[in-house]
Amino acid sequence: DSGVTQTPKHLITATGQRVTLRCSPRSGDLSVYWYQQSLDQGLQFLIQYYNGEERAKGNILERFSAQQFPDLHSELNLSSLELGDSALYFCASSLTEWWTDTQYFGPGTRLTVL
Amino acid sequence: GNSVTQMEGPVTLSEEAFLTINCTYTATGYPSLFWYVQYPGEGLQLLLKATKADDKGSNKGFEATYRKETTSFHLEKGSVQVSDSAVYFCALSGGYNKLIFGAGTRLAVHP
Repeated sequence: DSGVTQTPKHLITATGQRVTLRCSPRSGDLSVYWYQQSLDQGLQFLIQYYNGEERAKGNILERFSAQQFPDLHSELNLSSLELGDSALYFCASSLTEWWTDTQYFGPGTRLTVL
Repeated sequence: GNSVTQMEGPVTLSEEAFLTINCTYTATGYPSLFWYVQYPGEGLQLLLKATKADDKGSNKGFEATYRKETTSFHLEKGSVQVSDSAVYFCALSGGYNKLIFGAGTRLAVHP
C-alpha cells in the first residue's frame, strides 16, 4: 500500500459525459501528479500540482482539467468524453517537486467510455 | 526533449535465470532514473532509483547502475522467480519531477 488513494476504482460512462476522478496523496506529500496509461500511448504525464499551484503540464487535452485543494487532495475532471479517453488514470504524490524525489502511485481509476 | 527507450518484450525466462532489461535515455541536464514495476491489476511500485551518475540502485535482488557515458540504466537480477512476473518500466525525471516512462517490458517467468 503506497498511501495514495484514488476513487473510484472503476468508472463506466458514455460519450459526451463528464466525470471527476479523486486522489488523496500520502500524508505530508505536497506534490500531486496525474498520469494516463493506455495501450496505444503508454504512460503519459498529464499535469502536476504543488501545494495548490499548477506547476507543469504534459499532454493534457483542453477537455481535461485538474485542481489541488487546500487539504492537498486533487481532482481530475474529464469532460466531453470520447471513446479514446478510455484508459487507466493514475495519481502519484511526492514530498517535494525535486527531481530526486520518489513518486508514490495510487492504484488507479479505470475509465471506460462506451 | 527527454525520452526513454527500453527493450521490447515480452521477455520469457525460466525460474533462476539471469535477467537483463535494457534502458537508455535522452535528457538534458542530470535527471534521476527509476525502475517501476506493475503487477497485474495493480498500480506502479518503485523498484529502485538512482539520482546521479555511477549510483547503483538495488532492491529485492534487482540492480541498476546510472551510466552517464552510455546514457543507460539497465535492470538486472541474478536469479528470477515466478513472482517477478510483471511489467517493468524505466523512467526519468527532470524539471518539476514529471516522470517520462519507457514503453514497458513484460516479463514472464516459468517454473
